[in-house]
Amino acid sequence: AQSVTQLDSQVPVFEEAPVELRCNYSSSVSVYLFWYVQYPNQGLQLLLKYLSGSTLVKGINGFEAEFNKSQTSFHLRKPSVHISDTAEYFCAVSGGYQKVTFGTGTKLQVIP
Amino acid sequence: SQTIHQWPATLVQPVGSPLSLECTVEGTSNPNLYWYRQAAGRGLQLLFYSVGIGQISSEVPQNLSASRPQDRQFILSSKKLLLSDSGFYLCAWSPHGDSPLHFGNGTRLTVT
Repeated sequence: AQSVTQLDSQVPVFEEAPVELRCNYSSSVSVYLFWYVQYPNQGLQLLLKYLSGSTLVKGINGFEAEFNKSQTSFHLRKPSVHISDTAEYFCAVSGGYQKVTFGTGTKLQVIP
Repeated sequence: SQTIHQWPATLVQPVGSPLSLECTVEGTSNPNLYWYRQAAGRGLQLLFYSVGIGQISSEVPQNLSASRPQDRQFILSSKKLLLSDSGFYLCAWSPHGDSPLHFGNGTRLTVT
């Protein structure tokens, strides 16, 4: 079985400040990890993915995430946020078997 | 390029009425198809996934069902809606189990 934990349901941050959204996972097999972003009343868009190789993954809109196998984490970071980054962010894990498990999401609120 | 269509965008149905939500994918063949439900504060719950025509796996026992009558068509149904069926329903596809998911724009279902 696999699971994803996003401990922070909401993260307020001032514009141009850095942000980190936390994600921890558990899985009995090797995993693939993803971050998605959801704007209001829309579907989810892929931000970045970790399949293998370098543990530091760069995605769209200036976001990056680091895979830490020993801590089973895949935290999302951005050095300077913009108002347009206000959205809900979902961490997800796939351990094969055709299934993707999502976390409960973190709402990022960028304050002007 | 591949596209996913999901409709309707919004739906208001009375308790006890039937439901049919449709999702189609263009530009690819034999995709994995998924139905998720998103409820406030609960993240995305995987309802059904399909790896081929007529092959449906159910993740959560409930009064919903899914069918895949054609390769790129995925339908979510219910014979009698419950109040608890309200939520945001998302269809998604991927080329194979460990690939990122591509989401439709979702259907906002309100059961009254």
